Amino acid sequence: GAGVSQSPSNKVTEKGKDVELRCDPISGHTALYWYRQRLGQGLEFLIYFQGNSAPDKSGLPSDRFSAERTGESVSTLTIQRTQQEDSAVYLCASSLEGFSENTIYFGEGSWLTVV
Amino acid sequence: AQSVTQPDIHITVSEGASLELRCNYSYGATPYLFWYVQSPGQGLQLLLKYFSGDTLVQGIKGFEAEFKRSQSSFNLRKPSVHWSDAAEYFCAVGVTGGGNKLTFGTGTQLKVEL
Repeated sequence: GAGVSQSPSNKVTEKGKDVELRCDPISGHTALYWYRQRLGQGLEFLIYFQGNSAPDKSGLPSDRFSAERTGESVSTLTIQRTQQEDSAVYLCASSLEGFSENTIYFGEGSWLTVV
Repeated sequence: AQSVTQPDIHITVSEGASLELRCNYSYGATPYLFWYVQSPGQGLQLLLKYFSGDTLVQGIKGFEAEFKRSQSSFNLRKPSVHWSDAAEYFCAVGVTGGGNKLTFGTGTQLKVEL
């Protein structure tokens, strides 16, 4: 597609349930990023993929959060046993390689509400 | 670790007035600096970026930013604001070798009065 595509755009889930958020990066982009944006706050880095490997997972807030990427394309962010503090917009981004000299393009985000 | 401060949470300007949004960063070496804009219901859009070279960088939509190493600042400016510029603006700093991640400020919400 022309841009970074994320699904679902909105998700309401009950506390304790698992959720999966999907990201389709721009075709050919080897670098993929996940960020979280809580209401009224800036973006928090979660994880970075180069190809299918994740050299930096330092931002994942707990072991309930995991992400994978297959085929150097689609990525899935999984949150297990969701908590209310997980409510946020989850943003995916991609770039040709690392961001050096390459523009990072963001998707519109997946709005997650945990009730 | 790098950090970014955007001291102004909200700014209101009149249409046609000039604009300056402040951004200060903390990093030991020369950082990569970015400004993004986020409009309601839309994703983040890159306005401009600084990697090296000329410290005054031009971006889209008539925006510019100046890197001042001595002040650790990268302020965003526009000489004449349009009503469509109302949005949230984020400054970000990136470092290579640090996982290629960007560290964002908390954002500045811009309101434009007609």
